[in-house]
Amino acid sequence: DVKVTQSSRYLVKRTGEKVFLECVQDMDHENMFWYRQDPGLGLRLIYFSYDVKMKEKGDIPEGYSVSREKKERFSLILESASTNQTSMYLCASSLGWAFNYGYTFGSGTRLTVV
Amino acid sequence: KQEVTQIPAALSVPEGENLVLNCSFTDSAIYNLQWFRQDPGKGLTSLLLIQSSQREQTSGRLNASLDKSSGRSTLYIAASQPGDSATYLCAVSFSGNTGKLIFGQGTTLQVKP
Repeated sequence: DVKVTQSSRYLVKRTGEKVFLECVQDMDHENMFWYRQDPGLGLRLIYFSYDVKMKEKGDIPEGYSVSREKKERFSLILESASTNQTSMYLCASSLGWAFNYGYTFGSGTRLTVV
Repeated sequence: KQEVTQIPAALSVPEGENLVLNCSFTDSAIYNLQWFRQDPGKGLTSLLLIQSSQREQTSGRLNASLDKSSGRSTLYIAASQPGDSATYLCAVSFSGNTGKLIFGQGTTLQVKP
């Protein structure tokens, strides 16, 4: 089975800090995604990547950036953390765009910005 | 606008009951539809993936159906158990949307012993 690993389950950071959330998948998946999940707002796409060094903005990219230097690793960066970025962050990967390719999610990182 | 809607938002049933969760979507041009389960504070676990050419998929006590023409999917859970208590999310990959998943808000299920 494909495994998607997020480096931290819980993280507490101070306002203004630069925060890195790491995600690694252990299969040769082309696509990787970062979502955030908030009560009442559901899952919202922040950024995604089709391939190494490629990135595309999702629905709510403001305040975030990403890095994909290797195929298996996709990092989400909060340039200057703010309290409104307190959320559950979920990473996912998929093999490609074909009809039978589903998503595999990591276990999530609960980030609190104080 | 491509949207996914799930009703009801919450459901409580006694153990042993068969139940149906509903998902509707606004555009019939889809790659696939995926049902996920999420336990409190955890990530998403994939339950079933239905490709656009398929009508249903089954896994154990779970059966998911897809009707593209009406923009609907259902997740049927047979003989529910307390361990089935979780939030169930429906997500659609719409054609022409570069494979991005659009999620419903989820249905929170409680199965009472």
